[in-house]
Amino acid sequence: AQKVTQAQTEISVVEKEDVTLDCVYETRDTTYYLFWYKQPPSGELVFLIRRNSFDEQNEISGRYSWNFQKSTSSFNFTITASQVVDSAVYFCALSEAGTGRRALTFGSGTRLQVQP
Amino acid sequence: KAGVTQTPRYLIKTRGQQVTLSCSPISGHRSVSWYQQTPGQGLQFLFEYFSETQRNKGNFPGRFSGRQFSNSRSEMNVSTLELGDSALYLCASSLAGQGVDEQFFGPGTRLTVL
Repeated sequence: AQKVTQAQTEISVVEKEDVTLDCVYETRDTTYYLFWYKQPPSGELVFLIRRNSFDEQNEISGRYSWNFQKSTSSFNFTITASQVVDSAVYFCALSEAGTGRRALTFGSGTRLQVQP
Repeated sequence: KAGVTQTPRYLIKTRGQQVTLSCSPISGHRSVSWYQQTPGQGLQFLFEYFSETQRNKGNFPGRFSGRQFSNSRSEMNVSTLELGDSALYLCASSLAGQGVDEQFFGPGTRLTVL
C-alpha cells in the first residue's frame, strides 16, 4: 500500500532563511504522481506542484524548488528566502495511477512558521 | 474562473443526526473527490465521483455516502452522526482526463458534532 511520510512536524525559521521540507514515499506502482499542497490558516488546500514518476527533473518556480529522487523515494520542497506569508501547513501527497485510483494519499503535514 | 465552492462553511449537529454537504466543482471539471481532515487521522480520502458514478471509495463506513449530479455538483451525506465525525470536509475537483490530474480544493465545510 502507498504511504507518505513527512517526518518534520513543525519547522520554525526567521524570515529570509531557506527551508527544506522533507517527503518520503512508498509505493509498489511504477506509475505514480507526487504533489505538494499548502494549507494556510483559512483551511483551503492550495495546489503547488504535480510530478509524475517518469520525470525526475528538478523544478523551480520563483522561490520554490522541488527535488525528486526516485533512488531515495523522496520529493523534497525548498523555499528560498522565506517570507511570513509562507507560514502554513504543507502536505506532500501521492497518487498511484496504475491502479486507476486517483485518490491522494497525504502525509501528515509539516507546519512551517516564518518569524519576522 | 470560479474555484471550488462548498456549502455550508460551518455546521453544528448533534449525535445521531444526519448531514448533507454540497460541493460545486470548477467549471468543466467532471471529477469530484471528498476528503476528511481531522487532527488525529490527517487527510483521508472518502470517495470520488465521475459522470454521476462513484469511481473510487476510501475506507469509511457506509454511513458516509455521496452522489453527483449531471452538472457535476456533488453532495456527501453522513447519517447517524458520531462525535468522531467532527472534521473539516474538503471537496476537490479535477478534469479527470487521462492519468492523474491536479486536484483543486474548496475551502471546506467544518462539521462539529456535539
